[in-house]
Amino acid sequence: DAGVIQSPRHEVTEMGQEVTLRCKPISGHNSLFWYRQTMMRGLELLIYFNNNVPIDDSGMPEDRFSAKMPNASFSTLKIQPSEPRDSAVYFCASSLVFSGANVLTFGAGSRLTVL
Amino acid sequence: DQQVKQNSPSLSVQEGRISILNCDYTNSMFDYFLWYKKYPAEGPTFLISISSIKDKNEDGRFTVFLNKSAKHLSLHIVPSQPGDSAVYFCAASRRGSQGNLIFGKGTKLSVKP
Repeated sequence: DAGVIQSPRHEVTEMGQEVTLRCKPISGHNSLFWYRQTMMRGLELLIYFNNNVPIDDSGMPEDRFSAKMPNASFSTLKIQPSEPRDSAVYFCASSLVFSGANVLTFGAGSRLTVL
Repeated sequence: DQQVKQNSPSLSVQEGRISILNCDYTNSMFDYFLWYKKYPAEGPTFLISISSIKDKNEDGRFTVFLNKSAKHLSLHIVPSQPGDSAVYFCAASRRGSQGNLIFGKGTKLSVKP
């Protein structure tokens, strides 16, 4: 398996532009998570899906952020309009949730720079 | 309000010696704890986990200890190797959270040859 695949790996954009980050989870996993990593806040959960249904989006910073999971093999995180404070590394992770420790497998991340 | 805390941003140890990374938590509803390792420009990778009903779990050079009364866990790496140099994240999951992990801010470990 190729693991969790994220694109783009790097994105540089100007304030006010729309940004779309993409994620392909591991086949067979039933949960998908979007995390953001910054120096100040560390790894913070933005939103997660279970069987393609959003379960908890309380970590989404504001209405400028939205996430979708139209099917089991694809998810997007969109920021519109983007602001410099959105600059961070965004990670997607997937897992197969059952009883026991839920081991998330992370993608390599998308580094976003908003100028 | 940080539910999972790693109070040491960095740690430096000599190759061959023991590395001890610490983590504290506040929520008594956490039922599993996990450690992840992260190299630069890569995503975090799973290292080892422990159930809240246990106090120790060992996997090769890595051992995690859990002290529920103190709400404290630690990761021991023995012996430490230069390839262990990375950022280590402690994470916890809560019963009924459908798999959501709450992460600490990480500790950067440097193992010097």
